[in-house]
Amino acid sequence: KNEVEQSPQNLTAQEGEFITINCSYSVGISALHWLQQHPGGGIVSLFMLSSGKKKHGRLIATINIQEKHSSLHITASHPRDSAVYICAVRMGNTPLVFGKGTRLSVIA
Amino acid sequence: DAGVIQSPRHEVTEMGQEVTLRCKPISGHDYLFWYRQTMMRGLELLIYFNNNVPIDDSGMPEDRFSAKMPNASFSTLKIQPSEPRDSAVYFCASSQGLVEPQHFGDGTRLSIL
Repeated sequence: KNEVEQSPQNLTAQEGEFITINCSYSVGISALHWLQQHPGGGIVSLFMLSSGKKKHGRLIATINIQEKHSSLHITASHPRDSAVYICAVRMGNTPLVFGKGTRLSVIA
Repeated sequence: DAGVIQSPRHEVTEMGQEVTLRCKPISGHDYLFWYRQTMMRGLELLIYFNNNVPIDDSGMPEDRFSAKMPNASFSTLKIQPSEPRDSAVYFCASSQGLVEPQHFGDGTRLSIL
């Protein structure tokens, strides 16, 4: 069974700060997803990656397959980035296994 | 394009009652997933369907839970009888292929008193 660990569990940042959220997993995967859940509850898929790095606006996701580790970075953070960020992994053709999420609060 | 539609958004009911949650996936998506989210355990997969056929229901907690997908545009998750520990947010998601990004509904917040 693949365990997915996220750190930190909670994070408070000042507006404008650079933010990093980490995700580690225990066995080999075929893909890793980063999801965003806003206070209203809706969940949105941000990235799906299996190697290297992806960038979308102020969000950057990286993955190191050898180290079984991924990071989600937010540059120039803004209060609207406040949400729970969830890492999820897939092994082959299996459903996603989720981390417990990182709750981010960005203060103006 | 309409996203995944779930109903109801909120449900409050008494212990022992039957609860039915509903989901309409995105048209053309051949995979449908039911998840449960709690503070303690985060998001957990309950069951998923491919082309209306249940593929893996190993996440369904016990016999009180059942899910059906009678056609490509509709699925239900039923709890009978409900218990307070079933209180959670239940999400439905769909995707065009198992390894493609999933699109989530807004969830049903269920409270069992």
